[in-house]
Amino acid sequence: ETGVTQTPRHLVMGMTNKKSLKCEQHLGHNAMYWYKQSAKKPLELMFVYSLEERVENNSVPSRFSPECPNSSHLFLHLHTLQPEDSALYLCASSQEVTYSNQPQHFGDGTRLSIL
Amino acid sequence: AQKITQTQPGMFVQEKEAVTLDCTYDTSDQSYGLFWYKQPSSGEMIFLIYQGSYDEQNATEGRYSLNFQKARKSANLVISASQLGDSAMYFCAMREGLGSSNTGKLIFGQGTTLQVKP
Repeated sequence: ETGVTQTPRHLVMGMTNKKSLKCEQHLGHNAMYWYKQSAKKPLELMFVYSLEERVENNSVPSRFSPECPNSSHLFLHLHTLQPEDSALYLCASSQEVTYSNQPQHFGDGTRLSIL
Repeated sequence: AQKITQTQPGMFVQEKEAVTLDCTYDTSDQSYGLFWYKQPSSGEMIFLIYQGSYDEQNATEGRYSLNFQKARKSANLVISASQLGDSAMYFCAMREGLGSSNTGKLIFGQGTTLQVKP
């Protein structure tokens, strides 16, 4: 059983749609992350939140908009996506942002397909 | 330049045998952490093992051990007594630095697909 839950597991949307990905962590962590995993590419960090404050925005296009209403929930709002945005989107959490010895715990991911 | 290199795109191992998955890294930081994750076909990234740059002993977690050679900048994962359920993609990752400037960024390698044969 994972301590990080992502919904939906699969999402198919058109380029003009607006949708949101949801992530919830039940581990009492203070940091949450969004990663993108495209085929044949390493995972790419998109956003980092620490205590609901964004601390990293890794040159992500504005069609991706994160939201962190509290330390347990993280959203990724999507609008006007492109076909190259089709990927697995993974959410992760860790106790804190600043300590290198703490693992990040991942959810199952949302597999996104853009038509 | 790639910071994490996994040179084996795919590996096969016979059930019950041991297998080593290679990982080399590049950093100028003195303090960093190295992680291995397993990703089954379901997509979830499962944390396996951690090695800190100042740790003198190689990390072990059950059937997983990390062969850490700091001078060579390598952190190979050893899986002993392979099981069919070990078939998955394995990622090596690094987290650099400590302190307030650390934004928690994990840098991942390309991954190695491991298939365990019965």
